[in-house]
Amino acid sequence: QQKVQQSPESLSVPEGGMASFNCTSSDRNFQYFWWYRQHSGEGPKALMSIFSDGDKKEGRFTAHLNKASLHVSLHIRDSQPSDSALYFCAASDYQGGRALIFGTGTTVSVSP
Amino acid sequence: DTTVKQNPRYKLARVGKPVNLICSQTMNHDTMYWYQKKPNQAPKLLLFYYDKILNREADTFEKFQSSRPNNSFCSLYIGSAGLEYSAMYLCASSRRGGQDTQYFGPGTRLLVL
Repeated sequence: QQKVQQSPESLSVPEGGMASFNCTSSDRNFQYFWWYRQHSGEGPKALMSIFSDGDKKEGRFTAHLNKASLHVSLHIRDSQPSDSALYFCAASDYQGGRALIFGTGTTVSVSP
Repeated sequence: DTTVKQNPRYKLARVGKPVNLICSQTMNHDTMYWYQKKPNQAPKLLLFYYDKILNREADTFEKFQSSRPNNSFCSLYIGSAGLEYSAMYLCASSRRGGQDTQYFGPGTRLLVL
């Protein structure tokens, strides 16, 4: 079973709208979360990390973490066509030198 | 400069032939990673180097080799490519620790025929 699960697989939002999607870890050892974004033809790029309960805001992006349920969400305010991309959630266990466990991604399409 | 470079960007290989992929970074990161990504699947960690120590995932232990001749370079080696190796191979680097950002290269798309 996939340790990190994302939903939905894809979503469409109008320009200027709010995009929201989710991620859950099934392993309590993996409770440090990252959001990565991948545009076509490029490698994934880190958007933000969240390690504590609650909200973390960076510009138009807000992540929310509930450590009790190991659920994290990402919200994109005022979505732009340039936000159209594949968004990965990734979890780590902060054991030092360990790599990330990725979800399968959510494809976001922002239409002008 | 937070660039991770990968060469080649595209690779065509024949079944049974070896494949060598190259990754480089100039951020002086002590850890370098290789992931495999297939369509509609999550990127899957294959192995990583912390400094000169190689760590390979148990389920891919015998399928992939790697070397890191210096801090900046890391290779991924497939001794005998099979059709199932067709995928995107992503290299990343970071400082050690789960709270450190991993920086990814653009990937090498490998097609095995």
